[in-house]
Amino acid sequence: EIVMTQSPATLSVSPGERATLSCRASQSVSSSLAWYQQKPGQPPRLLIYAASTRAAGVPGRFSGSGSGTHFTLTISSLQSEDFAVYYCYQYNQRPPHTFGQGTEVEIK
Amino acid sequence: VMLLESGGGLVQPGGSLRLSCEASGFTFRSYSMTWVRQAPGKGLEWVANIRYDGNEIYYVDSVKGRFTISRDNARDSLYLQMHSLRAEDTALYFCAREDVDMVTSERVIDYWGQGTLVLVSS
Repeated sequence: EIVMTQSPATLSVSPGERATLSCRASQSVSSSLAWYQQKPGQPPRLLIYAASTRAAGVPGRFSGSGSGTHFTLTISSLQSEDFAVYYCYQYNQRPPHTFGQGTEVEIK
Repeated sequence: VMLLESGGGLVQPGGSLRLSCEASGFTFRSYSMTWVRQAPGKGLEWVANIRYDGNEIYYVDSVKGRFTISRDNARDSLYLQMHSLRAEDTALYFCAREDVDMVTSERVIDYWGQGTLVLVSS
């Protein structure tokens, strides 16, 4: 099973600032990496797939990068609605697929 | 796209429960489906996956031999039969759709239901 490790666990950011979230895989997942946003009481929402492709309707301030074992989600200018928990997810080849443990982006 | 889970509830350790997910708004028989769970206050855990035609099935190791994923394409429904339930199975169980990612050609979860809560306790 591929282990996904996210850092930091919590990121304190002021509105308008940039946030950078990291995700590492225990072995290469090529570009089969997605990012999800989850707010309290809601299911996750797909933000990024294929490491860097924004899902439909996702604002341009969200961007993803990386391949292989190291990935990054960047939120260029945090808005109030962006404070949430973010999960990376590898879906490379056959299951089981795995999630990272999450990064909470909180208001500083 | 709508995914509506049901069947959760309180069950004693060692008991059984069957979750259902009713799909609408898309051609269910064309999509692979996944169950994901989230323990209270914890992260997401991939549980099981079934290919669109039911001919390939996968499980996370912790549920192998206890859980069975299935689908009825005539009823646009996905199921998760759970036996020998343990306290650590307590979680919100999400039904999720997979679609082919046109960049990598792999299947990624793109839509989620609201979840159904399973509580395993005596």
